[in-house]
Amino acid sequence: GQNIDQPTEMTATEGAIVQINCTYQTSGFNGLFWYQQHAGEAPTFLSYNVLDGLEEKGRFSSFLSRSKGYSYLLLKELQMKDSASYLCALTGANNLFFGTGTRLTVIP
Amino acid sequence: DGGITQSPKYLFRKEGQNVTLSCEQNLNHDAMYWYRQDPGQGLRLIYYSQIVNDFQKGDIAEGYSVSREKKESFPLTVTSAQKNPTAFYLCASSLPSGANVLTFGAGSRLTVL
Repeated sequence: GQNIDQPTEMTATEGAIVQINCTYQTSGFNGLFWYQQHAGEAPTFLSYNVLDGLEEKGRFSSFLSRSKGYSYLLLKELQMKDSASYLCALTGANNLFFGTGTRLTVIP
Repeated sequence: DGGITQSPKYLFRKEGQNVTLSCEQNLNHDAMYWYRQDPGQGLRLIYYSQIVNDFQKGDIAEGYSVSREKKESFPLTVTSAQKNPTAFYLCASSLPSGANVLTFGAGSRLTVL
């Protein structure tokens, strides 16, 4: 089976840096995704990690440690539009298994 | 523009009625999926299809049915057997299964009165 743990909510200040953690347990690891979802909208792809290390993409970076069953999403220079839910998801054989998501609120 | 179209965006249903949610994609993706999202819970997989005329149950298939007669279309029927159908339903598609990015539709919000 698979299990994903993420914090339910986080709050950060505009311009700051925030790290959203994701820990997981899985019988077979194939890869880990991060998606962003604004309220009432479709999730959109942010990043994909299959090997250990840091993947950087503009203001967003994602880190993976397979031995620790751990990933994080790092958001720099926070903007108000970054207020959203961030979903961690594991790749299965035929689909994605999603965590409950972390709702991030960016305050001025 | 390529993408996934879900309709209707909002739907109200009386108890005991079946309702069908539409999902159409023009991305030429082989795989299509239906997820359900409830407050405080992650996306849960209802059904998925890797190829035309074939589909598989996901984690919460009871009370739902699907068809995949065309590559572009994967409609979901919420039947009266679904005990708690009020939710946000998301359709997605991807290249053949594996580590491929899912592209999601805008979602359909179903409310049972």
